[in-house]
Amino acid sequence: EAGVAQSPRYKIIEKRQSVAFWCNPISGHATLYWYQQILGQGPKLLIQFQNNGVVDDSQLPKDRFSAERLKGVDSTLKIQPAKLEDSAVYLCASSLDRGGRVEQFFGPGTRLTVL
Amino acid sequence: AQSVTQLGSHVSVSEGALVLLRCNYSSSVPPYLFWYVQYPNQGLQLLLKYTSAATLVKGINGFEAEFKKSETSFHLTKPSAHMSDAAEYFCAVTPLNFGNEKLTFGTGTRLTIIP
Repeated sequence: EAGVAQSPRYKIIEKRQSVAFWCNPISGHATLYWYQQILGQGPKLLIQFQNNGVVDDSQLPKDRFSAERLKGVDSTLKIQPAKLEDSAVYLCASSLDRGGRVEQFFGPGTRLTVL
Repeated sequence: AQSVTQLGSHVSVSEGALVLLRCNYSSSVPPYLFWYVQYPNQGLQLLLKYTSAATLVKGINGFEAEFKKSETSFHLTKPSAHMSDAAEYFCAVTPLNFGNEKLTFGTGTRLTIIP
């Protein structure tokens, strides 16, 4: 079974530029998550989708971050414009369904450096 | 809000020695608790989880954790460390109520194995 795929793996941009990350979850997984992991910290949830609807985006900086999950499968996360403090690893995860018992499977992440 | 605290951002043990990584949770109601491992440049992988069944939970790679309500702890142990255990370990929590499955992570503990 293929895991969660993410691209690109690494991205370097200048501040005020825009950037987009792509995630392909495990086939059949209804729930998709985007986490931000700043160096030295644990991952923090940015947004959670159930199929193509948003469940929780309370910690997404909506003035600069946006995310979509068209057709309830792949998802993109965009930052526009980027700030220095956005430098982090962006992790995508998916799970079969909702619920605290359900295991979340993580992709390898995209490491973003903002100069 | 629920949270977890990981004592010790860095832990070093000799190969073959006991591994003990500490995690304490903050919640009025015992939540679901998880340990994840992150190898360099990889995503997170679930080691084990506590979902209110047995208090001693066995996971992959010889790791186990014991849920102690009286101490609000969920420490991770392994009897004999192996070089391949070198990685970063995260404790995480979700509340029990269905529909709120956001993982809240600790700040992580980096485990170094001394040959």
